[in-house]
Amino acid sequence: DSGVTQTPKHLITATGQRVTLRCSPRSGDLSVYWYQQSLDQGLQFLIQYYNGEERAKGNILERFSAQQFPDLHSELNLSSLELGDSALYFCASSLAGAGTYEQYFGPGTRLTVT
Amino acid sequence: GDSVTQMEGPVTLSEEAFLTINCTYTATGYPSLFWYVQYPGEGLQLLLKATKADDKGSNKGFEATYRKETTSFHLEKGSVQVSDSAVYFCALESGATNKLIFGTGTLLAVQP
Repeated sequence: DSGVTQTPKHLITATGQRVTLRCSPRSGDLSVYWYQQSLDQGLQFLIQYYNGEERAKGNILERFSAQQFPDLHSELNLSSLELGDSALYFCASSLAGAGTYEQYFGPGTRLTVT
Repeated sequence: GDSVTQMEGPVTLSEEAFLTINCTYTATGYPSLFWYVQYPGEGLQLLLKATKADDKGSNKGFEATYRKETTSFHLEKGSVQVSDSAVYFCALESGATNKLIFGTGTLLAVQP
């Protein structure tokens, strides 16, 4: 158990809908990262937050957004869903936003868009 | 941009065989390098890491050496077990923001 929790574990929804994925980092970790794992794109970095502020952006679509709240949990919002958004979404946390700190991964949320 | 290339799988070995999974990288500067493992139905776990050239990361019998001259970080284990069956990802830490760039993953299947 990494100490990072993600909810829900599975999500099935229809095209055009909007969903919210939730992540709680390990106690004491200030940085949260979101990654997408799909069969065609592999594991890709989406976005990073550090202590409530956006720190880095990767291949995140404009239909996707995220935020980190004062209690440091984070939410990833996916809207106008398409079939191609079906993937495993991982959250990871680390102590800080710079320097080499281990990223601890949650178990992931499997999103299926039908 | 920064990238990681790792050998295609699946790799199928018999128990107690020697394992090598190749990984090479392209990056500006000298990034930290990692191997992560993903067991079926689970998230990623850090297996080992190396933060500078010639560093050797090791854990649970797995080893990898950061080779700057060949830009490589190959994963090795002397004697694999059935319980090592999983997907292995090579990754580098890119830039000042610590985002991880992953290779495509290599499925390892160990047969008894």
